[in-house]
Amino acid sequence: EPEVTQTPSHQVTQMGQEVILRCVPISNHLYFYWYRQILGQKVEFLVSFYNNEISEKSEIFDDQFSVERPDGSNFTLKIRSTKLEDSAMYFCASSEQGARTDTQYFGPGTRLTVL
Amino acid sequence: AQKITQTQPGMFVQEKEAVTLDCTYDTSDQSYGLFWYKQPSSGEMIFLIYQGSYDEQNATEGRYSLNFQKARKSANLVISASQLGDSAMYFCAMIPPDYIPTFGRGTSLIVHP
Repeated sequence: EPEVTQTPSHQVTQMGQEVILRCVPISNHLYFYWYRQILGQKVEFLVSFYNNEISEKSEIFDDQFSVERPDGSNFTLKIRSTKLEDSAMYFCASSEQGARTDTQYFGPGTRLTVL
Repeated sequence: AQKITQTQPGMFVQEKEAVTLDCTYDTSDQSYGLFWYKQPSSGEMIFLIYQGSYDEQNATEGRYSLNFQKARKSANLVISASQLGDSAMYFCAMIPPDYIPTFGRGTSLIVHP
């Protein structure tokens, strides 16, 4: 069964460094998402992406964040200058369409630790 | 702003019993989607069940069913015949017309043998 994959599973970085989190969505899906889950807290929406453009973003998704689909399979989240409070689990998700009725399938997550 | 409330931080259930996890939501929109996800200790998010706001029938997926009461704005998850592998965090989520998903804080379910 096709699934969303994410690499790395765990990333440790120093404050102020740039990190790139990678995702490979399900191949026939057209909509891609990033979420964040700070330890012990709820999942928070960051951004949705369709047709090489951001379609929606939350207040969390500020200028420090960017997303890109550099090729036909990868979808990346870049944090330019990490802060301690960026430490969280980051989930990528994809859906076939972007309708609110469409199921989003999540990847296993990347745990980001900022020291 | 949309809001999802899961009032039960933790729930315990005996194996093979049924359990209901509560979810209420606050929205003025008429069209939205409701989802439940399971997050085991390994951390991944697993889709369980979906309910559309215009669906007249309650959604069911195997042992999972959704008790949808639109007037009360509740979308409770019912797990029948609980199994030890059901022990996990469970998140209720809503996608409103602006397509920005909102998740609840989750309910931790522990299934006792």
